[in-house]
Amino acid sequence: QLQLQESGPGLVKPSETLSLICTVSGGSMTSSGYYWGWIRQPPGKGLEWIGTIYYSGSTYYNPSLKSRVTISVDTSKNQFSLNLRSVTAADTAVYYCARQGATSGGYFDYWGQGTLVSVSS
Amino acid sequence: SYELTQPPSVSVSPGQTASITCSGDKLGDKSACWYQQKPGQSPVLVIFQDNKRPSGIPERFSGSNSGITATLTISGTQAMDEADYYCQAWDSSTLCVFGTGTKVTVL
Repeated sequence: QLQLQESGPGLVKPSETLSLICTVSGGSMTSSGYYWGWIRQPPGKGLEWIGTIYYSGSTYYNPSLKSRVTISVDTSKNQFSLNLRSVTAADTAVYYCARQGATSGGYFDYWGQGTLVSVSS
Repeated sequence: SYELTQPPSVSVSPGQTASITCSGDKLGDKSACWYQQKPGQSPVLVIFQDNKRPSGIPERFSGSNSGITATLTISGTQAMDEADYYCQAWDSSTLCVFGTGTKVTVL
């Protein structure tokens, strides 16, 4: 059974960089036909797509976050990571990593449990 | 930017049918999917590629997508179906967009 697990600091100071890692187990990130994505959800609000990466390193980013986001992959560790620069309180959210179908649909079929990241001094 | 609009809330009696809409420009030309999210839990995929159910999702969940509207239908709604539901679309031009979310209450 595929599992994803987010890890990283739960508290980040304003203007600093939020960094999270997603570790994939029970399957290989290099399996064809799948992307790997980051999604976030501010407390009490809806889901927001952050970005997606293919194991080859190709990336797609939400235009509203593109200037501050970098997603990278380390296939040797079966991990992918998220860096979000210059954070503010508005970036406080539960951050999820998920597997995304690369064929028709782009749906997220396996999700991590999510990790709450608060931005505060 | 591309937007998907859902009604904020839908109420349904147990055993009845709940319909949740998701509207966006030419949504019928894209592939839509739906997620169920219960409090404190990660979203769960309930419909993908407009009308397909993942393994383990009950048959009472069904989907359609045409024109500007995708619809998630829950037939014979049960108390356990009370949750937030989100639509999502993806294509090469709009990339990935989530809907605004709908809270389904089973009264």
